[in-house]
Amino acid sequence: ILNVEQSPQSLHVQEGDSTNFTCSFPSSNFYALHWYRWETAKSPEALFVMTLNGDEKKKGRISATLNTKEGYSYLYIKGSQPEDSATYLCAFTSTGNQFYFGTGTSLTVIP
Amino acid sequence: DAGVTQSPTHLIKTRGQQVTLRCSPKSGHDTVSWYQQALGQGPQFIFQYYEEEERQRGNFPDRFSGHQFPNYSSELNVNALLLGDSALYLCASSFGTRVEEQYFGPGTRLTVT
Repeated sequence: ILNVEQSPQSLHVQEGDSTNFTCSFPSSNFYALHWYRWETAKSPEALFVMTLNGDEKKKGRISATLNTKEGYSYLYIKGSQPEDSATYLCAFTSTGNQFYFGTGTSLTVIP
Repeated sequence: DAGVTQSPTHLIKTRGQQVTLRCSPKSGHDTVSWYQQALGQGPQFIFQYYEEEERQRGNFPDRFSGHQFPNYSSELNVNALLLGDSALYLCASSFGTRVEEQYFGPGTRLTVT
């Protein structure tokens, strides 16, 4: 069983603040790193899939970076809005094609 | 275009009973994966079906079994339910043998009493 860790477990920020979370994963047998956004009572929604060391992806105010050599990825949210409130999950896939999820970071943006 | 759908939404069962959960993949997808999310945990991989066969399996006992139909829909069966099987069960669909991206359903909440 591969260990994927996310920190912090939860986060409360004021509207307009920028924030970031960390996902740590094994650096061996790396294939891809996935970020998902999961709002309560909805389906997890894919944000990014990253495969190359040094990858940076951006979607609106949300961006992510990847370091496969040291086994971490950062997710950044610039100018947080209340609608960004959700749980952010990362998942690691190895060459074996199986998804290993972290426990998520729960973000609450206070208006 | 319907996304991934799951039924039922919620389910309450008694210890020792059997349960069947259902999943219809996103249109065009042929691979279905099942996950269990217990309270306070991330989703844990149960198994994956492709071409009506179980292709991969996570660390779950044989009480957990599945099936994929010719239309790519899938069922997850759990026998001899335990209290610890109470969880949110997520289905995800994707295309092909290399899972680049998965689309998730909203999940089925199973409570075992």
